[in-house]
Amino acid sequence: KAGVTQTPRYLIKTRGQQVTLSCSPISGHRSVSWYQQTPGQGLQFLFEYFSETQRNKGNFPGRFSGRQFSNSRSEMNVSTLELGDSALYLCASSLSRGPQTGELFFGEGSRLTVL
Amino acid sequence: QQPVQSPQAVILREGEDAVINCSSSKALYSVHWYRQKHGEAPVFLMILLKGGEQKGHDKISASFNEKKQQSSLYLTASQLSYSGTYFCGTGPFQGAQKLVFGQGTRLTINP
Repeated sequence: KAGVTQTPRYLIKTRGQQVTLSCSPISGHRSVSWYQQTPGQGLQFLFEYFSETQRNKGNFPGRFSGRQFSNSRSEMNVSTLELGDSALYLCASSLSRGPQTGELFFGEGSRLTVL
Repeated sequence: QQPVQSPQAVILREGEDAVINCSSSKALYSVHWYRQKHGEAPVFLMILLKGGEQKGHDKISASFNEKKQQSSLYLTASQLSYSGTYFCGTGPFQGAQKLVFGQGTRLTINP
């Protein structure tokens, strides 16, 4: 059974540019959550989608957005990149209707470097 | 609100025991524990739901004290493979659509 796949794995952008990251969840999983990971900050919740609907959003500026498609694949977009957006972006899928009651399966992440 | 983990880092020798604590300022419905090895994705260890149960497998177990709004992860007779960063994730009520993680505890096991 294939795991959570995130693309691209690594990317370098410059300030002001935008980036789109993709996440393919485990087959059958309809819940997809996104997290930003930086040293010392742990895993910061970005948003969660279920059946193409955003059900919750973390405390990030509007430059961070996402969406989910009918096949449960999800994308997140960051516009007008800032140096502080450099981080590992992790996607996690879950079989459960609510992410906090079921195991989260994480992808290996997309490491974004903003210069 | 992000749960607080302690200690932030711990170094042990193989065979020693470790305890990692996770505290929240809010009433909790669930606590998750994950381990992340360097350069890898976080991997699920266990979930504890409201009810104060204790779970475990192999030599890793955890407790959940609702009244104190905290959870503790116990690693007994640690092995080299236990090295990594441990994260607790907390959720305030059933049906909540997000899990908030602590800042992590880095565990290093030396031979």
